Amino acid sequence: GESVGLHLPTLSVQEGDNSIINCAYSNSASDYFIWYKQESGKGPQFIIDIRSNMDKRQGQRVTVLLNKTVKHLSLQIAATQPGDSAVYFCAEKGMRFGAGTRLTVKP
Amino acid sequence: DAGVTQSPTHLIKTRGQHVTLRCSPISGHKSVSWYQQVLGQGPQFIFQYYEKEERGRGNFPDRFSARQFPNYSSELNVNALLLGDSALYLCASSRQAGVEAFFGQGTRLTVV
Repeated sequence: GESVGLHLPTLSVQEGDNSIINCAYSNSASDYFIWYKQESGKGPQFIIDIRSNMDKRQGQRVTVLLNKTVKHLSLQIAATQPGDSAVYFCAEKGMRFGAGTRLTVKP
Repeated sequence: DAGVTQSPTHLIKTRGQHVTLRCSPISGHKSVSWYQQVLGQGPQFIFQYYEKEERGRGNFPDRFSARQFPNYSSELNVNALLLGDSALYLCASSRQAGVEAFFGQGTRLTVV
């Protein structure tokens, strides 16, 4: 069946380094993806989205890359800060969520 | 502007009981979606409503139902509660279906 998944359940980086969080999807017809950040005890927070007519989109310190050929997208966070520590989810059309990657930033 | 508000924030129910969870969307948002999030997992889609009509339904039993009111607020109802229904229930609103959605803080439901 269709699925949205993340490659790694945890990621630990040093403060100031760049972080890359990956996500794979199975439905080739998927045309809209959202990345969310969820801190402990809070609801998911919208970070950035991308539609299938694009392969890259940039926000403030974040970049999302979409590779439709291999059905993969990634979230890149530049100069990672302690406040970036959270669980990150990719979601297809905002409805199908992956299991999440827990990002830990070491000072 | 107020964000998405959900009530109550916490709730304890007994097996077999019924529960109603409430969600008020961001002003101007006409779409509301409901999710169940079990600890350690990603949110699981339950329902999406747009302009008071159901636009999508996830793989949940008929014990789960929802509705959207003329003011775009929404209720999620769960009948015959099971221990496995214990979870964080999240509501998200968006201007329309298929665009960025904003989440509330959730309702933590515990079934004992």
